[in-house]
Amino acid sequence: DVKVTQSSRYLVKRTGEKVFLECVQDMDHENMFWYRQDPGLGLRLIYFSYDVKMKEKGDIPEGYSVSREKKERFSLILESASTNQTSMYLCASSPPQLRRPFPYEQYFGPGTRLTVT
Amino acid sequence: ELKVEQNPLFLSMQEGKNYTIYCNYSTTSDRLYWYRQDPGKSLESLFVLLSNGAVKQEGRLMASLDTKARLSTLHITAAVHDLSATYFCAVDTANFNKFYFGSGTKLNVKP
Repeated sequence: DVKVTQSSRYLVKRTGEKVFLECVQDMDHENMFWYRQDPGLGLRLIYFSYDVKMKEKGDIPEGYSVSREKKERFSLILESASTNQTSMYLCASSPPQLRRPFPYEQYFGPGTRLTVT
Repeated sequence: ELKVEQNPLFLSMQEGKNYTIYCNYSTTSDRLYWYRQDPGKSLESLFVLLSNGAVKQEGRLMASLDTKARLSTLHITAAVHDLSATYFCAVDTANFNKFYFGSGTKLNVKP
């Protein structure tokens, strides 16, 4: 079974703090994703990575950065946390299209509920 | 920009009834996914639909895909309380498996 883990389930930070959210997957997947989930807005893609040290902006990258130094680990960084970044953050992984076994879905971690006060 | 629209956004139904959730999307894609999310939990994969006309069934849930109409449906048969959750559809693009999610349908099945 694919396992995607996230470093914290709940996190409370103050405005202006630097925040690190970590995600680890154990299936040797090339693709990794960070989403935020807000009521009524579904999941919105922040950043994704298709290989070590590679990253691509998603739909809402402002205020975030990412790091992928090892294949299994993808970190989301809030350089200076703000209250509008209070949200549920979900990490996901998937194998690349050409190598993918059937089926093709993304596998999600348990999520980190971040509160910025 | 690719748009994925689900309706309804909220659905309250009695046990034993049938209902359908709709997922419309704005671009050509032949890969669509349905996920379930329980309160406070992460997303769990329900169905993977990979071609026009694909139909998958699991218990009281059945999903179908019409790529020409850009429409997927999730049909609930004889609902039970355990199906209460939020259901998301997602469309796969050819761009590194980048998904676009609908807003979700929050289903409440009343005993």
